[in-house]
Amino acid sequence: QQQVKQSPQSLIVQKGGISIINCAYENTAFDYFPWYQQFPGKGPALLIAIRPDVSEKKEGRFTISFNKSAKQFSLHIMDSQPGDSATYFCAARSVSQFYFGTGTSLTVIP
Amino acid sequence: GAGVSQSPSNKVTEKGKDVELRCDPISGHTALYWYRQRLGQGLEFLIYFQGNSAPDKSGLPSDRFSAERTGESVSTLTIQRTQQEDSAVYLCASSLTREVEAFFGQGTRLTVV
Repeated sequence: QQQVKQSPQSLIVQKGGISIINCAYENTAFDYFPWYQQFPGKGPALLIAIRPDVSEKKEGRFTISFNKSAKQFSLHIMDSQPGDSATYFCAARSVSQFYFGTGTSLTVIP
Repeated sequence: GAGVSQSPSNKVTEKGKDVELRCDPISGHTALYWYRQRLGQGLEFLIYFQGNSAPDKSGLPSDRFSAERTGESVSTLTIQRTQQEDSAVYLCASSLTREVEAFFGQGTRLTVV
């Protein structure tokens, strides 16, 4: 059973556009929601994270929007660049592990 | 060290052989996780170590899989009698405590032929 559901599976965006990736969860015990970026052949790297007492967090071009009542959170990449092309994973933490979404392959077209 | 280090980076083994994967966490990190990533898929939790507490082994897929960690240092993941379905990238991550972000190594790509 997938604890964190992520969509879309793949995304193609023009350079300068906004990339939006969505995640949903059911377990209200989750207390920390990170997003990871993974390039081919590399391990996932933490991009940005949010706790459930905050509705939005922004770091540079990356913003997490968090809707606690809907149990949804999303990653927005503003002014998307070709260098942002990677696989993005949302995650949610419980007591002893992180549950990951299935990933979104983002391609930013020059 | 500067980051989480995993070795080997690549491992090709014959079906039925045992393999041992190593993870060196960031110094001082008490929490250590192992995940498996099959081609084109998400990360599958395997095991979690937190300090000297009993590890959470709930993600290990079969009794062929085991992991050890000595104190807050190196961890080894052992797969006995490897099968082709064990082929995947095995990722290790560590964090200072459970409450903060986890940092991943580059993974060990295991291929069972």
